[in-house]
Amino acid sequence: DAGVTQSPTHLIKTRGQQVTLRCSPKSGHDTVSWYQQALGQGPQFIFQYYEEEERQRGNFPDRFSGHQFPNYSSELNVNALLLGDSALYLCASSPGGTSGSVYNEQFFGPGTRLTVL
Amino acid sequence: GQNIDQPTEMTATEGAIVQINCTYQTSGFNGLFWYQQHAGEAPTFLSYNVLDGLEEKGRFSSFLSRSKGYSYLLLKELQMKDSASYLCAVGDSNYQLIWGAGTKLIIKP
Repeated sequence: DAGVTQSPTHLIKTRGQQVTLRCSPKSGHDTVSWYQQALGQGPQFIFQYYEEEERQRGNFPDRFSGHQFPNYSSELNVNALLLGDSALYLCASSPGGTSGSVYNEQFFGPGTRLTVL
Repeated sequence: GQNIDQPTEMTATEGAIVQINCTYQTSGFNGLFWYQQHAGEAPTFLSYNVLDGLEEKGRFSSFLSRSKGYSYLLLKELQMKDSASYLCAVGDSNYQLIWGAGTKLIIKP
């Protein structure tokens, strides 16, 4: 049973560029959440997708957008990259359904380390 | 505002017991999670508390007091592999997880 997978593992971009990160949830999970984790900090919630729609959003600008596909996989897009966007981007999946996923254990992927120069 | 406080770093000895505290102030409360994160790796789930009291799971236990906005994670019989960051996270009224910055636990032989 494959867990949560993310690609790429590492990525280097320059300011102003755009980036797309990808996530495949754990088998049987339909809800995907994205987090940004700066070095030495806890994860910051970006948004959550369920049934191909953004269900919840944290305090992130519109430069951060996402998408969920019918197979529950998800993408995180960041436009007009800033130096401050350098971080570990984590994807977490859970069996959300209609009960909301905060009560459910979230399984995290290995993350994508984004460096913006 | 919403706030989760944890000590930045703790040191303990192999075989000993350590308690990591977490205090929180959030808009609403929908459960408290503890996660373990080794350096360069993803967080892994340890425990979930929604009612007051102690939840025990092997060498790890987690306690919650909702009236005090307080939780702790207790690690017994410490092993070198327990060296990691321990993250406290609270589900708020919008069902979003609010995370602490994590406590880096250093285990010495």
